[in-house]
Amino acid sequence: DAGVIQSPRHEVTEMGQEVTLRCKPISGHNSLFWYRQTMMRGLELLIYFNNNVPIDDSGMPEDRFSAKMPNASFSTLKIQPSEPRDSAVYFCASSLSGSNSPLHFGNGTRLTVT
Amino acid sequence: GENVEQHPSTLSVQEGDSAVIKCTYSDSASNYFPWYKQELGKRPQLIIDIRSNVGEKKDQRIAVTLNKTAKHFSLHITETQPEDSAVYFCAASMGAAGNKLTFGGGTRVLVKP
Repeated sequence: DAGVIQSPRHEVTEMGQEVTLRCKPISGHNSLFWYRQTMMRGLELLIYFNNNVPIDDSGMPEDRFSAKMPNASFSTLKIQPSEPRDSAVYFCASSLSGSNSPLHFGNGTRLTVT
Repeated sequence: GENVEQHPSTLSVQEGDSAVIKCTYSDSASNYFPWYKQELGKRPQLIIDIRSNVGEKKDQRIAVTLNKTAKHFSLHITETQPEDSAVYFCAASMGAAGNKLTFGGGTRVLVKP
């Protein structure tokens, strides 16, 4: 299994630009999570999906952030417009829900907004 | 919602000594407690987990203990080695739909050779 696959690995963009982060969960996993990691705030859960349905988006910082999961094998996290304070590492993770199965993280996308 | 506190935030130990990291959680309904290790520039990876029907679990040099009454759990690393240097995160989950994990703030462990 290739694990959770995220793209791009690094993204550098200018303030005001749209940013789209992509994630492919592990095949067969039906829960998908987007986390943001910064030195100041640690690992923050932004949103998670169960069976492609958003369950909890209370961690999404503001309306500039949106996430979709059109099918079981793909999710996107979009920031529009981006701001310097959005600079962070964004992790996608997946698991099999209902069984306390381990959460598997992707390698993350390091976003820098200048 | 669940709140997980983790201490200490940094821990420096001599190679061969033991390291202990402690976490407390707020929601008594939580029943799953994993620990993740994150090396510099890499993704968090699960190293051990414990469920609420178990008080202790060991895997070679690492062990986790759980006290449900006090709502705290701990990670113990014995005979530390330089490759144990990393950031360690505890987490808690109620095992509800999606297995939503709430993470502690992390502990940066440095093992001095």
